[in-house]
Order: sequence, then C-alpha cells, then structure tokens
Amino acid sequence: AQSVTQLGSHVSVSEGALVLLRCNYSSSVPPYLFWYVQYPNQGLQLLLKYTTGATLVKGINGFEAEFKKSETSFHLTKPSAHMSDAAEYFCAVSAGPTGANSKLTFGKGITLSVRP
Amino acid sequence: SAVISQKPSRDICQRGTSLTIQCQVDSQVTMMFWYRQQPGQSLTLIATANQGSEATYESGFVIDKFPISRPNLTFSTLTVSNMSPEDSSIYLCSESTGGRPGQFFGPGTRLTVL
Repeated sequence: AQSVTQLGSHVSVSEGALVLLRCNYSSSVPPYLFWYVQYPNQGLQLLLKYTTGATLVKGINGFEAEFKKSETSFHLTKPSAHMSDAAEYFCAVSAGPTGANSKLTFGKGITLSVRP
Repeated sequence: SAVISQKPSRDICQRGTSLTIQCQVDSQVTMMFWYRQQPGQSLTLIATANQGSEATYESGFVIDKFPISRPNLTFSTLTVSNMSPEDSSIYLCSESTGGRPGQFFGPGTRLTVL
C-alpha cells in the first residue's frame, strides 16, 4: 500500500521568495513520485516526476524536487516565486510506470498563495 | 503529451438521475483512469479501465454506482448513477501508456447534484 502526506493545507510566500512545499511518502516498493499543479477551474498538469536515477529532478516553470529515500521525502522547491505560481499543488505516488501499478495515490494538496 | 477532452465540462443534475461523462484521448493509450475530487479535497481513484475488459474498482466504489465503458483505445465513459448531493464533485479522467511514467489528465467535469 502507498500513501502521501502533505503537511499543512496552505503556504503563503512573497513574490521572489523561495517556495518549499513538503511531501512525504510511504511505499512498500520503490516509488514513482510526481508533483501536479491545478490552477483554478482547470485539470491537473504534471510538474515533474521521479522514476529512477538522478534524485534531483527538474520540471516546468522553474520547479524542482529532490528524492530522499532515507527521509521518504520528495519536497518541491522554486527559488523565486511568481504571482502565476498561485495554485493547488498535489504530490502523488505510484508503484510503477505502467499498467495497474501506475495508478496514482495523491496527497491532500497544498494551496500556494503569492503575495505581491 | 496526450490531449484529453471531457464532456460535459459541467452539469447540474437532479437527485435520482444519472449522468454519463465522456473522455476522449487524441492517441491510443493503454489504460485510462477515473478520479473523483470532492469539494476542497484531493483526488481519489474510482477505477481503472482497460480496453476490452471489465474496469477494476477501488475500495468504496462499485460498478452499479459508477459503470464504466472502454470500447476502444481512445475513449471511455463514466456514468454516475442514481445521483445524490454527495456525488457533487469534479470527475477527471487520465491516461497511462507505454513505459512513460505519470499520467495526463483531462480538464474535468464539474457535477452539481441538487
């Protein structure tokens, strides 16, 4: 079984400040980890993913995340927040890349607000 | 990336009726998934749909309430049957194909049941 924990429901940062959104996972097999973003009244967009190999992964819009197995974490960061980053962010885990193992288990999500 | 469309984009329905949501992908995909996002909540997987076989439902979801069809590799439907206000949610479909990890999602169908 797999699970994802996203502590806190809301993060507020100033424009230009560092963005840090935390994600911890639980998985009985090597995990595949994802971050998705959801803008108001829109579907989910894949930001980045970790499968195997390099533990620091870069995604779209300047976001990156680091897989830390020892900490069972996959925190999302961006050096400088932009107003357009305001959205809901979901961390998700799957047991594999294809087939039934690719079904996603999501965290509760974090709302990111960016102050001018 | 695959382009996924859903119909309808939103609907307001009466208690006791049923609504069928369509999901169309612009390329052939191996698996399709249906998720529910209740107001202010995260996404919960309803079922996984393979072409030519019965859908696989997650715990808490049953075929009588959420029948799914998958007639070909680019299309799927989800029906929400005998609706109640508790079914008011956003319903999203997604796809998984080949060896590419991660899923692409449709824009969702926003359902309100009165």
